[in-house]
Amino acid sequence: NAGVMQNPRHLVRRRGQEARLRCSPMKGHSHVYWYRQLPEEGLKFMVYLQKENIIDESGMPKERFSAEFPKEGPSILRIQQVVRGDSAAYFCASSLNHASWRMNTEAFFGQGTRLTVV
Amino acid sequence: KNEVEQSPQNLTAQEGEFITINCSYSVGISALHWLQQHPGGGIVSLFMLSSGKKKHGRLIATINIQEKHSSLHITASHPRDSAVYICAVKLGNQFYFGTGTSLTVIP
Repeated sequence: NAGVMQNPRHLVRRRGQEARLRCSPMKGHSHVYWYRQLPEEGLKFMVYLQKENIIDESGMPKERFSAEFPKEGPSILRIQQVVRGDSAAYFCASSLNHASWRMNTEAFFGQGTRLTVV
Repeated sequence: KNEVEQSPQNLTAQEGEFITINCSYSVGISALHWLQQHPGGGIVSLFMLSSGKKKHGRLIATINIQEKHSSLHITASHPRDSAVYICAVKLGNQFYFGTGTSLTVIP
């Protein structure tokens, strides 16, 4: 059973371009969580999605950022018109369901995507 | 103020030393996780605690719910333990993370 898969591992974008980060959860998991780790800072919650639904996007900037988790395929975190301050590591985590996320013995994280905006 | 505070921020140890990393939190939680992040790598969950103590190999994690404090101990440290150790607490939908403790174990 493959773990949480994120791609690409590294992404370089020029200011103003779009960045698309993909997260394939563990097999059977229908809940996805995105986190951002800015340089020299801790991880911060961005958004929580179920299949086809955004449940909690309280940590995601209101502009330029969007997330989706379609019925088929990976979850996508999309950043439009990137700026230097978007440079960070973006981590995805998944769980079987939200109850298991609240009580689970493990947190399943991906390897992260390191976005560099030049 | 961050909901989760870790100390120390950086730690260098000689191989074989006993290591302690501390985590204090200010919110009521359902669970606390210790995570390990290797340079350039992803994040691995080491422990989930809601009470007491857990042990896995050379790693021991303890939590005191009343004092809102947890510790991660590494016995007989080894260079391969070099990583960033992150304390994370669960509250509702979210994890709140400490900024991490960067551990370097020197041979």
